[in-house]
Amino acid sequence: DQQVKQNSPSLSVQEGRISILNCDYTNSMFDYFLWYKKYPAEGPTFLISISSIKDKNEDGRFTVFLNKSAKHLSLHIVPSQPGDSAVYFCAASQTGGYQKVTFGTGTKLQVIP
Amino acid sequence: DAGVTQSPTHLIKTRGQQVTLRCSPKSGHDTVSWYQQALGQGPQFIFQYYEEEERQRGNFPDRFSGHQFPNYSSELNVNALLLGDSALYLCASSLVFGVQETQYFGPGTRLLVL
Repeated sequence: DQQVKQNSPSLSVQEGRISILNCDYTNSMFDYFLWYKKYPAEGPTFLISISSIKDKNEDGRFTVFLNKSAKHLSLHIVPSQPGDSAVYFCAASQTGGYQKVTFGTGTKLQVIP
Repeated sequence: DAGVTQSPTHLIKTRGQQVTLRCSPKSGHDTVSWYQQALGQGPQFIFQYYEEEERQRGNFPDRFSGHQFPNYSSELNVNALLLGDSALYLCASSLVFGVQETQYFGPGTRLLVL
């Protein structure tokens, strides 16, 4: 039962353009959402998060949008840089859930110079 | 300041054997969580330890067990290994009252079961 889904296993974008990574979830109890970035041979690193009381959170080049009615979130990277090439995981959790995080399957982003 | 460290980095075992993976949390952290990442999948929560006790457990059989030591380091034990246990095992450390993004992940131990 995949509660967090990332339907695009890979994405290629030109340097300087916008990267949009999408994520859907099914569990209505999720109220906190995170994006992680993972390079090969390293563990996931936290990138940006959003609470269900917001619909947008921005941090530099990274913006996360949340559409609760559609149970959908997206990560926008503008402008994309070659160093952004990595696997991006969407993740969700419940407040009070002992920090347990449910991950999606990941999207491999390649930014072409 | 060392981050989360895990050992060994790679391991090969055969079906039916037992394995122990180790994790040292980031300095100052008191909580350790373990995740399994199968090929092509996202990390899946196995369990979390705080104050040397298991606080929460994901959907994993009893063959998966753990331990936390007084210095907050942790071990993950898997008995009666199956081919399907082949995966990257990630350890994450945090503060017990920290929010989700304060989890720091180690580089993982890649286990191959033949």
